[in-house]
Amino acid sequence: TQLLEQSPQFLSIQEGENLTVYCNSSSVFSSLQWYRQEPGEGPVLLVTVVTGGEVKKLKRLTFQFGDARKDSSLHITAAQPGDTGLYLCAGAPGNQFYFGTGTSLTVIP
Amino acid sequence: DAGVIQSPRHEVTEMGQEVTLRCKPISGHNSLFWYRQTMMRGLELLIYFNNNVPIDDSGMPEDRFSAKMPNASFSTLKIQPSEPRDSAVYFCASSRTVGNSPLHFGNGTRLTVT
Repeated sequence: TQLLEQSPQFLSIQEGENLTVYCNSSSVFSSLQWYRQEPGEGPVLLVTVVTGGEVKKLKRLTFQFGDARKDSSLHITAAQPGDTGLYLCAGAPGNQFYFGTGTSLTVIP
Repeated sequence: DAGVIQSPRHEVTEMGQEVTLRCKPISGHNSLFWYRQTMMRGLELLIYFNNNVPIDDSGMPEDRFSAKMPNASFSTLKIQPSEPRDSAVYFCASSRTVGNSPLHFGNGTRLTVT
């Protein structure tokens, strides 16, 4: 049983389009992180959200933590080929992070 | 900052053989995590250490798996005997503390058991 479910599992879009990926759970998290992973490498942290309802922006990426701290979303504006990768959310119900199932994003030039 | 260093990058072995994966965390980081990644199950937490002490090993799949951290700069994950279903990419990650601290991952060891 996965603690965190991400959707969609796969996403292929054209350069310049907008997209949103979701991370959902029935558990409450003290914090939630988003990572991006490229082939042959380990995941790299993008952002940490801590407060329910919090919104953080990282250039064209917007992250939102749900009010109840059970879910999160990542919105990318005007996607670029460099955004291609596996996006993972990770939640900490306690002291260690459990990862979601991942969304594999391909941005076609 | 050299990052988390894992070795080997690739390991191919036959069923029944012992496999040892190695990790050097970032200096000054007090927490170390071992994860396994497969297409079917995603990224699974196997075990984590805080100040070299194993805190939670509930993710270790079987007694065939063991992990040690003899000092702050070195950890091993051992599989004995290995089985084909152990084939996966194994990641080591470190962080300054447990909790909200970012995880810094190595580039993983791709294990293939034939």
